[in-house]
Formats: sequence, structure tokens, C-alpha cells
Amino acid sequence: GAVVSQHPSWVICKSGTSVKIECRSLDFQATTMFWYRQFPKQSLMLMATSNEGSKATYEQGVEKDKFLINHASLTLSTLTVTSAHPEDSSFYICSANSPGQGGRETQYFGPGTRLLVL
Amino acid sequence: DAKTTQPPSMDCAEGRAANLPCNHSTISGNEYVYWYRQIHSQGPQYIIHGLKNNETNEMASLIITEDRKSSTLILPHATLRDTAVYYCIVRVKNQGGKLIFGQGTELSVKP
Repeated sequence: GAVVSQHPSWVICKSGTSVKIECRSLDFQATTMFWYRQFPKQSLMLMATSNEGSKATYEQGVEKDKFLINHASLTLSTLTVTSAHPEDSSFYICSANSPGQGGRETQYFGPGTRLLVL
Repeated sequence: DAKTTQPPSMDCAEGRAANLPCNHSTISGNEYVYWYRQIHSQGPQYIIHGLKNNETNEMASLIITEDRKSSTLILPHATLRDTAVYYCIVRVKNQGGKLIFGQGTELSVKP
């Protein structure tokens, strides 16, 4: 299957600082990427849809000014957690739609980034 | 809200087939059934998807009932490495559709 990478895999930061997470599609172009957040023992929660060359679409309850998303190219989307606080500590996962072969579009996920805010 | 219902947990003996059920009684005609799994502390892994016909790949088989209101994911010979949370998701394909995750089924494969 297609490969999606994330960087960094884990990050520890101080409260009040900003953290940037990168999501890359390595062997395909993705006009649409997605950002999810997962707290311990919970399911994935969709945060936003990242569209190449346009503004991201945020899910209800997700602060767009706190979670800045930039999708500047067909292979890279970034999520910046601004002024991070301990409650932002979570597992952040991105995904991207791959067109696949024979019209079999599939969404592939990155390995996730674990954020710990002290 | 997730549009699927799955049992919260299941056990399976190593080497035996694991049959994971999913109910999606409100599925629309243009929605596909997708299966993903998430091994602890990793991103979800795509397994298989289908519309109405049964599907098989190197990982699993997907059996969809004729009325499409339920499906079963079959892992033919479960191994310890198949221990994970399995998610059944319905979505419209090829429209950049987002995936909405429910709680999934936590499958424990035991020796």
C-alpha cells in the first residue's frame, strides 16, 4: 500500500510553546489529507480536512486558530499546535487519500506523533 | 456519529479464523464498507473494503450480506500479531470522504 510518514514521531514541549507536525505522502500525491487526534483508550477523532492550496475544513469544536493546518503541496500537510497546554497532549495522526489502481481509492494513515506538553 | 456497530471485544485462538462482525443498517447505496485496524500506539492500517460483493486480499476476506446491512471481516488464520482494534467504517468512495471512527472491536489473539 501507499506510504504516509509523519515527523516527528514524538515530541515533548513546554506549556505555551508551539509545535509543528509534518505529514507526507511518500509515493503518491494527495490533494486531501486528514488530521486526527486520539486520547488514551479512545477512538480516533477527526480534527480537520486539509485541502491542497485552500483553507482547511475543521470539525465542530476544533479551534482553527489553535490548530493551524497548511497544505502547501500535494505531498505535505502540516499541523501546528499553537500555545500548547497539557490538555493538548495526545496522539496526532494524519492520513491521505491515495487514488490507487483501478479506481480503488483508499485512505492511508501515518504512524502518528505523540505530543506531551509539560 | 459513527454509522456502524461492532462488539467491543473478542477473543480468538491463535491459528483459528477470526470473524469480526459489523452492523451498518443505515448504509446508503453509494457507501462502501472499509476495515482498518490499529495496533497499539501505531497509526491505523488499511485492511480491505467493498461495496456489495465479497472481497479477498492477502490480509483478509470481507463478506457483505445481500441487503448490505452487515458485514464480517475474516482473518483466516489469526496470529498473535493480529491483536489490535479493528474498525468498520462506511463512507462514500472517490469523493475525498472523511473516515469517522467508532469504538471498534478489540481483538485479542491468544496462544
